[in-house]
Amino acid sequence: QVQLLQSGAEVKKPGASVMLSCTASEYTFNTYYFHWVRQAPGQGLEWMGMISPSGGTGYAPKFRARVTMTRDTSTTTVYMELNSLTVEDTAVYYCARALGDLWGQGALVTVSS
Amino acid sequence: DIVLTQSPATLSLSPGDRATLSCRASQSVTKSFLSWFQQKPGQPPRLLIYGASSRATGTPDRFSGSESGTDFTLTISRLEPEDFAVYYCHQYGTIPFTFGGGTKVEI
Repeated sequence: QVQLLQSGAEVKKPGASVMLSCTASEYTFNTYYFHWVRQAPGQGLEWMGMISPSGGTGYAPKFRARVTMTRDTSTTTVYMELNSLTVEDTAVYYCARALGDLWGQGALVTVSS
Repeated sequence: DIVLTQSPATLSLSPGDRATLSCRASQSVTKSFLSWFQQKPGQPPRLLIYGASSRATGTPDRFSGSESGTDFTLTISRLEPEDFAVYYCHQYGTIPFTFGGGTKVEI
């Protein structure tokens, strides 16, 4: 069964960076776009950006200055690094495949001093 | 950015009722690239509808999507107990992709 397995919860201080990973358990990894979506506590979904099969990226303007998405085809893993964290970045971060037919389990990032 | 406005924010219904959820886009959605997701507490979203009206694999046929210009509708013909959840529309035709604010369907 195809899955997206995300890295675990993180606790960070304001100003720090966080890198999350998302590993796909399938050999067709290289044919898909992957997206990162976050959800603050009790709030709705927020699209952060995407990475294409070739590694091209597209980011929401809100995050463009401080987010980087990459992928490693050898390990079928996509990464999302978010810099200059503030308390407003506290959220569950999800990776999702293509149209959103497959999602990771989510990773809670808590930013607190 | 394309703003998606969902209404109502909350829909209070009973099992067996028909649910009609609205999503209005601030501008045209490219190639009808609009999807609907269902989310339950503590779970990631689940894709129900893509391309405005195509059911995703495993989506029961009581769920249907439609489009009229910049207005999109998700209809649940007869609510089952497991359908009480939050529903989000999502446009993926223009970067930045965006989500609506959600509609909570509650008993």
